[in-house]
Amino acid sequence: DTVLTQSPALAVSPGERVSISCRASEGVNSYMHWYQQKPGQQPKLLIYKASNLASGVPARFSGSGSGTDFTLTIDPVEADDTATYFCQQSWNDRTFGGGTKLELK
Amino acid sequence: QVQLQQSGAELVKPGSSVKISCKASGYTFTSYDMHWIKQQPGNGLEWIGWIYPGNGNTKYNQKFNGKATLTADKSSSTAYMQLSSLTSEDSAVYFCARGGYGSYTWFAYWGQGTLVTVSS
Repeated sequence: DTVLTQSPALAVSPGERVSISCRASEGVNSYMHWYQQKPGQQPKLLIYKASNLASGVPARFSGSGSGTDFTLTIDPVEADDTATYFCQQSWNDRTFGGGTKLELK
Repeated sequence: QVQLQQSGAELVKPGSSVKISCKASGYTFTSYDMHWIKQQPGNGLEWIGWIYPGNGNTKYNQKFNGKATLTADKSSSTAYMQLSSLTSEDSAVYFCARGGYGSYTWFAYWGQGTLVTVSS
């Protein structure tokens, strides 16, 4: 299985820039995707294929990376961005990262 | 618009089975994979497998071989997942999510989730 590793938590102040990383145990080409999940809700697609913004997602969200190292950036962070963010690869079946919980100071 | 409507919460006994559903609308059901994902309380997401309703082909995460069985009913545009020999480890929210067109796709559409609680 392709293991995806994310840092467990981050805390930032509104208006700042935050980068959330995801490292894959093997190359996934550009098939890395990012989701936002709020408590009690289903995940919501933010970024697909590393850097493509999903429909209706604010341009404050962006993605980058290829191979094994990927980053989701939010700039500027808003209060509503408090959530858990998951990366997911689709190059080798499907696996998810453990999630990064974003808290606002 | 694409919608995935899942069945309601289930309380089931250890050792039993449960079958949950995911009714699709707003697109051609037989043209896209349907995936299933598990989320235990406070935990991350775990991919279970997919079914292609067009021909019934399936693929499972090895961890769920023998635990999950995926089926689809083309006449009602509904995907199903049966979980067998339930234990407390199967207590979780289960999501269905539609794949995209072709291989290597992501999940733009999700159901609202079905909570399965395994308890005597």
